Amino acid sequence: NAGVIQTPRHKVTGKGQEATLWCEPISGHSAVFWYRQTIVQGLEFLTYFRNQAPIDDSGMPKERFSAQMPNQSHSTLKIQSTQPQDSAVYLCASSLGTGGAETLYFGSGTRLTVL
Amino acid sequence: GDKVKQSPSALSLQEGTNSALRCNFSIAATTVQWFLQNPRGSLMNLFYLVPGTKENGRLKSAFDSKESYSTLHIRDAQLEDSGTYFCAAASGSWQLIFGSGTQLTVMP
Repeated sequence: NAGVIQTPRHKVTGKGQEATLWCEPISGHSAVFWYRQTIVQGLEFLTYFRNQAPIDDSGMPKERFSAQMPNQSHSTLKIQSTQPQDSAVYLCASSLGTGGAETLYFGSGTRLTVL
Repeated sequence: GDKVKQSPSALSLQEGTNSALRCNFSIAATTVQWFLQNPRGSLMNLFYLVPGTKENGRLKSAFDSKESYSTLHIRDAQLEDSGTYFCAAASGSWQLIFGSGTQLTVMP
């Protein structure tokens, strides 16, 4: 079991460019979460999918951020027109998805730097 | 205020000594998870707790839902225990609320 796989590990974009981050959950897990981590804000919840359906995106900035889960083996987080304040480590996590709070398994994260 | 408050925010230990980290909750926590983020950034799940205690090697964790706190005890600290420890609580649903972390440095 390779664990949750996130690619790329590092991404540098210029202000105004688009960034797409990828996540492959653990095989058999049907819940996928995206978090953002910064020194100032700590770990912030962004969005949650269960069985590929979006369940809660209350943490997503309403503009420029979107997430999808087109199949059970990957999810993407897309940031349009990136801004310096989007610089952060973006973490993806998965769990079994049987409902309620479950053991969460995180990927190694993608460090996004917006110049 | 913080719904999940961790203390201390930072801690230095000599190798071989013991310590305890704590989380206090201002929510009605029903489950707690503890994670270790290593210097490379990977977050590893250490414990998933309902009220009670669990032990794994040199680590022991307790969760008291009535008194709204959880602890993580580290026995015989090793250099590889260094990193940032996070606790996260859920209140009857899937949503986890994370604390701000305890940065632990184990010194030789």
